[in-house]
Amino acid sequence: DTEVTQTPKHLVMGMTNKKSLKCEQHMGHRAMYWYKQKAKKPPELMFVYSYEKLSINESVPSRFSPECPNSSLLNLHLHALQPEDSALYLCASSQVLGGGDYGYTFGSGTRLTVV
Amino acid sequence: AQSVTQPDIHITVSEGASLELRCNYSYGATPYLFWYVQSPGQGLQLLLKYFSGDTLVQGIKGFEAEFKRSQSSFNLRKPSVHWSDAAEYFCAVGAVVTGGGNKLTFGTGTQLKVEL
Repeated sequence: DTEVTQTPKHLVMGMTNKKSLKCEQHMGHRAMYWYKQKAKKPPELMFVYSYEKLSINESVPSRFSPECPNSSLLNLHLHALQPEDSALYLCASSQVLGGGDYGYTFGSGTRLTVV
Repeated sequence: AQSVTQPDIHITVSEGASLELRCNYSYGATPYLFWYVQSPGQGLQLLLKYFSGDTLVQGIKGFEAEFKRSQSSFNLRKPSVHWSDAAEYFCAVGAVVTGGGNKLTFGTGTQLKVEL
């Protein structure tokens, strides 16, 4: 299995809702990531998990809460979002260290709309 | 901190013509370099990567890229473009981060349009 699977593909939520984005991979990658991509912009890193521990938080607002329950799963919990948080949220995974397999595998993303 | 510049926001080529997309990077050590392609509303697909060895890298879909350290460049090329190559192309530089994992920093992207 060489894929990163993200669910749901589309999500519309109100500003008072709580929702979660899910990401799953079975490639044995021990680093997982959340990126945010606004329209017509490049992806921007939000969080990095390495061996199920948070290693980078790029000053993301607390209304975004990541969770890595095991080596195959990554969640992003959303609460009290703002309309400007509407974006494509991309999950990715990679080997922790460099070497011959250095490089991410990205999921197809969750298109989030906050109303 | 690493950074990537893609000077061409839009490029239009005729089907069958050759293509070169430019990428310049800034990084203090030996860079890990990538090219990704993104179709509308989709995730990113890795075209090719460079981290050591031969400076001419072959990728999928007939793409290749050449790493030139003296010019801090990693340009993407294809000898004959197909209509299905129309998409957004992102160059990225990777860095290992403290605590494990790798951070990718992307350029602003080049939108490729292919004329039939």
